[in-house]
Amino acid sequence: RKEVEQDPGPFNVPEGATVAFNCTYSNSASQSFFWYRQDCRKEPKLLMSVYSSGNEDGRFTAQLNRASQYISLLIRDSKLSDSATYLCVVRGGYNKLIFGAGTRLAVHP
Amino acid sequence: GAGVSQTPSNKVTEKGKYVELRCDPISGHTALYWYRQSLGQGPEFLIYFQGTGAADDSGLPNDRFFAVRPEGSVSTLKIQRTERGDSAVYLCASSLGTQASPLHFGNGTRLTVT
Repeated sequence: RKEVEQDPGPFNVPEGATVAFNCTYSNSASQSFFWYRQDCRKEPKLLMSVYSSGNEDGRFTAQLNRASQYISLLIRDSKLSDSATYLCVVRGGYNKLIFGAGTRLAVHP
Repeated sequence: GAGVSQTPSNKVTEKGKYVELRCDPISGHTALYWYRQSLGQGPEFLIYFQGTGAADDSGLPNDRFFAVRPEGSVSTLKIQRTERGDSAVYLCASSLGTQASPLHFGNGTRLTVT
């Protein structure tokens, strides 16, 4: 089993739609969680950290479920510019950060 | 301020050659990470430095790969006897080194082994 697993997608949604991605992780001792965004042929960029109580940043909401060992990302009112790959990141032992394979999102007019 | 800088941005080499990839982290960042990414995959962890020492090198695929960070700042990833399967984008990232610190990535070095 991979340490961090994501549905690869693609998720094809119209502008204005709400879309949610899940990510599961295997190490129950993991302490920090992040969502990164990666555009084609670019480096990953931090979208948001994920806090235990859940957190929101504009149209983006992140949730953590420690009991079930998954994190989620909800995007409301999708924009064309949201089209990208979304990477789930989990901090494991010795400060090592493990990336999922990413979920592709395509927002169409 | 300046972000993470990686050089070269592209490197084409012949099978069997030696290559060095350089990473200059954000000033003040004590933690430095190397990842490699193949098309359609997420970044794959290679090695992590805290200061000058390699805190975790469990991701290095074999002994052809080696990385150093002699003064706790710039790091070099070295690949000996390159193979075609080493072709990928090599990403470097730095962070403040605390539990909650996210990574800041450089633009990557695209390595092509012919």
